[in-house]
Amino acid sequence: AQSVTQLGSHVSVSEGALVLLRCNYSSSVPPYLFWYVQYPNQGLQLLLKYTTGATLVKGINGFEAEFKKSETSFHLTKPSAHMSDAAEYFCAVIASFQKLVFGTGTRLLVSP
Amino acid sequence: DTEVTQTPKHLVMGMTNKKSLKCEQHMGHRAMYWYKQKAKKPPELMFVYSYEKLSINESVPSRFSPECPNSSLLNLHLHALQPEDSALYLCASSQDTGRSPYEQYFGPGTRLTVT
Repeated sequence: AQSVTQLGSHVSVSEGALVLLRCNYSSSVPPYLFWYVQYPNQGLQLLLKYTTGATLVKGINGFEAEFKKSETSFHLTKPSAHMSDAAEYFCAVIASFQKLVFGTGTRLLVSP
Repeated sequence: DTEVTQTPKHLVMGMTNKKSLKCEQHMGHRAMYWYKQKAKKPPELMFVYSYEKLSINESVPSRFSPECPNSSLLNLHLHALQPEDSALYLCASSQDTGRSPYEQYFGPGTRLTVT
């Protein structure tokens, strides 16, 4: 069964620093992977997705992720953190029939 | 337009009440979803509707009753809930539930408190 594991429940960075949020997947078939962001008391917003093709995926708000099959990883990065990036980030994989399976989430804290 | 709307934003109900949550999308999507999210946890799938038919029920208690009146609307009827049902209820939609990896778009959620 497809699943994702997010390493680190909390990640703290300074404003302007590199953001790296880790996600590893487990899948017996080529996975379809997503990153979502959730701001406090809001729904989930799609940041980016990987289906097939280019392994470096660019998303909204300056985020990108690289699909690495050899490492079964799909880490999310942003070169320079902004205070407005503080939120909960979820990695997710599609299981059968569009069932989204989420990781446990990583809370990104950005300090001035 | 990638908007999914949900009403109400907040709902407080007693354990004997009957209430409904509503979700609407105008993106022409044919799949709609209900998720439940407890504090500091990821969303958990409850139901999936595909082309207005219930295709997945994740063993949800019968006190939650979904309804899809048409391809744009999704309701969740609530009856005799328990305090542990208090959570953020999220609606989502996608193009369909086929094998293509269509992304899901989420609404802002309804914060439900059961007293």
